[in-house]
Amino acid sequence: KNQVEQSPQSLIILEGKNCTLQCNYTVSPFSNLRWYKQDTGRGPVSLTIMTFSENTKSNGRYTATLDADTKQSSLHITASQLSDSASYICVVSANYGQNFVFGPGTRLSVLP
Amino acid sequence: SQTIHQWPATLVQPVGSPLSLECTVEGTSNPNLYWYRQAAGRGLQLLFYSVGIGQISSEVPQNLSASRPQDRQFILSSKKLLLSDSGFYLCAWSKGQGSTYEQYFGPGTRLTVT
Repeated sequence: KNQVEQSPQSLIILEGKNCTLQCNYTVSPFSNLRWYKQDTGRGPVSLTIMTFSENTKSNGRYTATLDADTKQSSLHITASQLSDSASYICVVSANYGQNFVFGPGTRLSVLP
Repeated sequence: SQTIHQWPATLVQPVGSPLSLECTVEGTSNPNLYWYRQAAGRGLQLLFYSVGIGQISSEVPQNLSASRPQDRQFILSSKKLLLSDSGFYLCAWSKGQGSTYEQYFGPGTRLTVT
């Protein structure tokens, strides 16, 4: 069964600190992996997308890594800001059809 | 530039009442359109997608239906709402079919069935 798991479920950090969010998946055959940021009550916005051959992708203070062998990905946020408070969703796509598998998300709270 | 609209933003409906949520996309033609539901603490679940006018594919059996009367309009409906229909409904569009195409999400509709 295609599944995406994320950890931790929620995280609280102080402004200026770094953090790392984890994503494990069992989606096969693998096509790509995306990280989305979803502000409360809003739609998700794409941060990064990685294919099988890519093991790291950056977008400003966000850096995603992918280990296709262990089927794990991480999202590292550097020098966190209050505006980083949101849910971060890992989405893994299979190489057929409309098969996007969404993780449950990690709720990040950045405190002043 | 492309924009996607959803309305209403929030909705409170009694059990057994009908539902109509609307999604429209501007700035592009012949988009692929999607309806998702997001339950608290769970990942987005794809409900319907459409690759063209009048073409609807359903991913899960349910109490809901979808229609695409115009190229850039996607409607989610129900004849009789259930308590389990409560959730956050998101519409999305993409330029093509398949996982390589980015999906762009609307602002969502928060539906509470009482």
